[in-house]
Amino acid sequence: NAGVMQNPRHLVRRRGQEARLRCSPMKGHSHVYWYRQLPEEGLKFMVYLQKENIIDESGMPKERFSAEFPKEGPSILRIQQVVRGDSAAYFCASAGQATYEQYFGPGTRLTVT
Amino acid sequence: DAKTTQPPSMDCAEGRAANLPCNHSTISGNEYVYWYRQIHSQGPQYIIHGLKNNETNEMASLIITEDRKSSTLILPHATLRDTAVYYCNTGNQFYFGTGTSLTVIP
Repeated sequence: NAGVMQNPRHLVRRRGQEARLRCSPMKGHSHVYWYRQLPEEGLKFMVYLQKENIIDESGMPKERFSAEFPKEGPSILRIQQVVRGDSAAYFCASAGQATYEQYFGPGTRLTVT
Repeated sequence: DAKTTQPPSMDCAEGRAANLPCNHSTISGNEYVYWYRQIHSQGPQYIIHGLKNNETNEMASLIITEDRKSSTLILPHATLRDTAVYYCNTGNQFYFGTGTSLTVIP
């Protein structure tokens, strides 16, 4: 059973460009979570999604950031008009149920130049 | 929102038991306690979780106090590869605090 997959693993964008981060959950998992980790800091929750629904986006910045988890395909975290402060590691995790343990992917390292 | 408190750092001698405490005094009756760890810059790794009873798996043991206001993660025979930041979460698991940075010393 393949684990959580994220791609790309490394992404470089210039200021003002768009970044799209993809997350494929573990097989059978319908709950996806996105986290951001700034250098030398802890994990910060961003958004929790189930298939086709956003359950909790309380950690998501109000502007430029959006997330989706369509019926088919991976979950996408989209950052529009990136700024240098968006440079971070973005991790996604999946779970089989809301109260079940989360399994994390290897992360996407976003660098904004 | 800090729902848990952990010591910022701990050392443990290789081969000895590592006991990592966590206070979660505001935990609700139906909220689980979860432990994860993050080795260097890798994705966090699930370790164990429990509700009321003590739990054990191949990685660790989890001891939860009777009043459920605190818990202890026990790594019975720490190895150098256990050096990591350990996070204790409760409830919906979303909020990772600053964790405990465990260093296993040879």
